[in-house]
Amino acid sequence: QVQLQESGPRLAKPSETLSLTCTVSGGSIYFSSYYWGWIRQPPGKGLEWIASIYYTGSTDYNPSLKSRVTMSVDTSKNMFSLRLSSVTAADTAVYYCARSQPRYYGGAIDYWGQGTLVTVSS
Amino acid sequence: EIVLTQSPGTLSLSPGERATLSCRASQSVSSSYVAWYQHKPGQAPRLLISGASRRATGIPDRFSGSGSGTDFTLTISRLEPEDFAVYYCQQLETFGQGTKVDIK
Repeated sequence: QVQLQESGPRLAKPSETLSLTCTVSGGSIYFSSYYWGWIRQPPGKGLEWIASIYYTGSTDYNPSLKSRVTMSVDTSKNMFSLRLSSVTAADTAVYYCARSQPRYYGGAIDYWGQGTLVTVSS
Repeated sequence: EIVLTQSPGTLSLSPGERATLSCRASQSVSSSYVAWYQHKPGQAPRLLISGASRRATGIPDRFSGSGSGTDFTLTISRLEPEDFAVYYCQQLETFGQGTKVDIK
């Protein structure tokens, strides 16, 4: 059973960089057909896809966040990371890491982390 | 950019009733990429349906998905108490805004 666990600071200051890591267990990131990504949910709002990465390091970013987002993967540690720069209060959200099925199988998100609330405040 | 519009925003029903949730895309999309999720407060979303109509592992058969082109539907044939939640449709990197199914 694949499990994903988010970790990182729960509080970020405005204009700083938010950094989160997702550790994967029960399955290997390396040489798999899956995409690994981040989705967030601001308080009282819906889900927003942020970014995804393939084990090779190939990335795909939400155009509305692209200028501020960086994803990376560490296959040796079976984890991947998110960096979101120049944060504002609008970036306050529950951040989920997740696994997406290969596109040839539909691309749905079949495993999710429990989510971590990150608050942007001075 | 594809926009997914879900309706209604809130659906108030009683246990045992049938729920019909709609997801409309701003342009035609491949049904292969349409998924539905159930989301309860404090929990991670759960995949219900992928490929517009394929139930995920362990999902009860009271959940069914259908549709093609721009119109997709999630149907819950008989609502159980644990089904009251928010439901999202998704097409690859785009989510709908969600439909809340609450108890009448």
